[in-house]
Amino acid sequence: DAGITQSPRHKVTETGTPVTLRCHQTENHRYMYWYRQDPGHGLRLIHYSYGVKDTDKGEVSDGYSVSRSKTEDFLLTLESATSSQTSVYFCAISEMQGAINEQFFGPGTRLTVL
Amino acid sequence: EDKVVQSPLSLVVHEGDTVTLNCSYEVTNFRSLLWYKQEKKAPTFLFMLTSSGIEKKSGRLSSILDKKELFSILNITATQTGDSAVYLCAVEVAGNTGKLIFGQGTTLQVKP
Repeated sequence: DAGITQSPRHKVTETGTPVTLRCHQTENHRYMYWYRQDPGHGLRLIHYSYGVKDTDKGEVSDGYSVSRSKTEDFLLTLESATSSQTSVYFCAISEMQGAINEQFFGPGTRLTVL
Repeated sequence: EDKVVQSPLSLVVHEGDTVTLNCSYEVTNFRSLLWYKQEKKAPTFLFMLTSSGIEKKSGRLSSILDKKELFSILNITATQTGDSAVYLCAVEVAGNTGKLIFGQGTTLQVKP
């Protein structure tokens, strides 16, 4: 299994509080992604990173920010959590070698915003 | 707007049955199509398809891509209860980003 961990694995928080989720990899892969998964929507890309300090928005980026100060860590921050951000969050990594873009996923973080 | 649509959304079969899962897409800059299996945890990679008409096969699972009609199918023969999972189809957008657009997923339940 690819060396990807996410923390915390579960979190319950209240509306309006800031929340930071961490993704840590030991594979030295260049690309990292944050997705959210909700019933009926599959996985939707929030933000991604293509290198240290290089990030860009995905399809559902409103209300989220990211940072990547080291190759191994990619942080997702909800500045002021809302109930609509209750979801399961997955981090993924990829090396993008040539034609291959197999993304490896972390175990997920279940976030509940009350 | 780019989109990936899977059908059916859910499916119940009995062990030994053969199933076909469908994935259609409308993506402006297509690079590849990927299939993942998700069993109540992280998705795990099954196949990546880039060329039309070339079947990828792994044991009882196989998949093929039709770039003219913009769809892919995932076949599972002689299903087992361990095949019960959500099957996700994703299209990679061309460009050096690796961005994937996922379908809603197909939930497969295999009964003994």
